[in-house]
Amino acid sequence: GNSVTQMEGPVTLSEEAFLTINCTYTATGYPSLFWYVQYPGEGLQLLLKATKADDKGSNKGFEATYRKETTSFHLEKGSVQVSDSAVYFCALLNTGGFKTIFGAGTRLFVKA
Amino acid sequence: DAGVIQSPRHEVTEMGQEVTLRCKPISGHNSLFWYRQTMMRGLELLIYFNNNVPIDDSGMPEDRFSAKMPNASFSTLKIQPSEPRDSAVYFCASSSNSESTDTQYFGPGTRLTVL
Repeated sequence: GNSVTQMEGPVTLSEEAFLTINCTYTATGYPSLFWYVQYPGEGLQLLLKATKADDKGSNKGFEATYRKETTSFHLEKGSVQVSDSAVYFCALLNTGGFKTIFGAGTRLFVKA
Repeated sequence: DAGVIQSPRHEVTEMGQEVTLRCKPISGHNSLFWYRQTMMRGLELLIYFNNNVPIDDSGMPEDRFSAKMPNASFSTLKIQPSEPRDSAVYFCASSSNSESTDTQYFGPGTRLTVL
């Protein structure tokens, strides 16, 4: 079956530190991959996405590359800000499917 | 666009009472999802509608839960009778099948507390 595994949190970083949140997936077929972000008190919102192998999604300084050979989609940012504190969800959607599979979420705290 | 609208934002009720959560999807979107989020179980898909028709309700916990979508601009999730273990944040999300990657747009959620 399809599944997403992401690193457990919380992750605590100082402002301007480098961020990596690991995500690996299991899927039949060729899924699209997503990172969603949830700020306190809000719903999830799309951060970035990639639809095929070797694609790189990017937004607001965050990046993730679709690696089919390692079935991974790790999220990175070169310099985090306090405003990046949130919960980050890795997700996949199989081609032709409707059910997005979400990871458990990773909480990020950024200290000033 | 106003985004996905949910009401109420907060609901506190007593065990045994009926609870109705409401959702207005983004205009033009033809898929609608109800999710439940708790610390213990994370984000769970309860039910999915496409063109107002329920396609998959396998995530609905039990018969106490029911969902309807009478038209393209409105959906409800009802719990009757409610129990303390139903306490959670309930999200509604919508998407457009015309988008190539089916990005979901989430509402702000309804925080339900059952005493």
